Amino acid sequence: DAKTTQPPSMDCAEGRAANLPCNHSTISGNEYVYWYRQIHSQGPQYIIHGLKNNETNEMASLIITEDRKSSTLILPHATLRDTAVYYCIVRVFYSGNTPLVFGKGTRLSVIA
Amino acid sequence: GAVVSQHPSRVICKSGTSVKIECRSLDFQATTMFWYRQFPKQSLMLMATSNEGSKATYEQGVEKDKFLINHASLTLSTLTVTSAHPEDSSFYICSARGGRSSYNEQFFGPGTRLTVL
Repeated sequence: DAKTTQPPSMDCAEGRAANLPCNHSTISGNEYVYWYRQIHSQGPQYIIHGLKNNETNEMASLIITEDRKSSTLILPHATLRDTAVYYCIVRVFYSGNTPLVFGKGTRLSVIA
Repeated sequence: GAVVSQHPSRVICKSGTSVKIECRSLDFQATTMFWYRQFPKQSLMLMATSNEGSKATYEQGVEKDKFLINHASLTLSTLTVTSAHPEDSSFYICSARGGRSSYNEQFFGPGTRLTVL
């Protein structure tokens, strides 16, 4: 799986949009971008994934650049409950027994 | 999304004892389960991968005789930490993947906090 680079930490004011960047310059054509988050002392939670088009669900939006070398996860109206470590992971869609491999992620602190 | 449970959520034990952690997929059949370990302020580290009815595959550096994994059914996997020592104190997280999942997602349990005194 391609390597990803994320800033170690970010702050965001409550109610504002949180924009979390991820660089994946070595991504292959068949690799998707996945985002998970981990709230303190809980298991990781799936947020969203995409291949090349922008994606949106009830939790977040995912913006992938045209060259697919980077992406941004957007939490449109961050709340205190969004404080967590966010992981950007690149991998093929059908990966059989291959597990998700977690990097260091971005620690997002939402401030009141 | 699918639900994965872990039991217990928290356990404290004495050094030298064994601890069993259960991981269950509640509403789907998990053909593959993964066990991760997470130390404070660090990321999740994969320990092993197990397929139902097969022996687990351990990551380099993980002692298979110390961390016994059993995946006897499509809804249950267990991790037994044998002869636990204080350095085994960690947050253990299981994850399951089902063959019918259209997104090939991994669903994660809530984790088990192990403290070895």
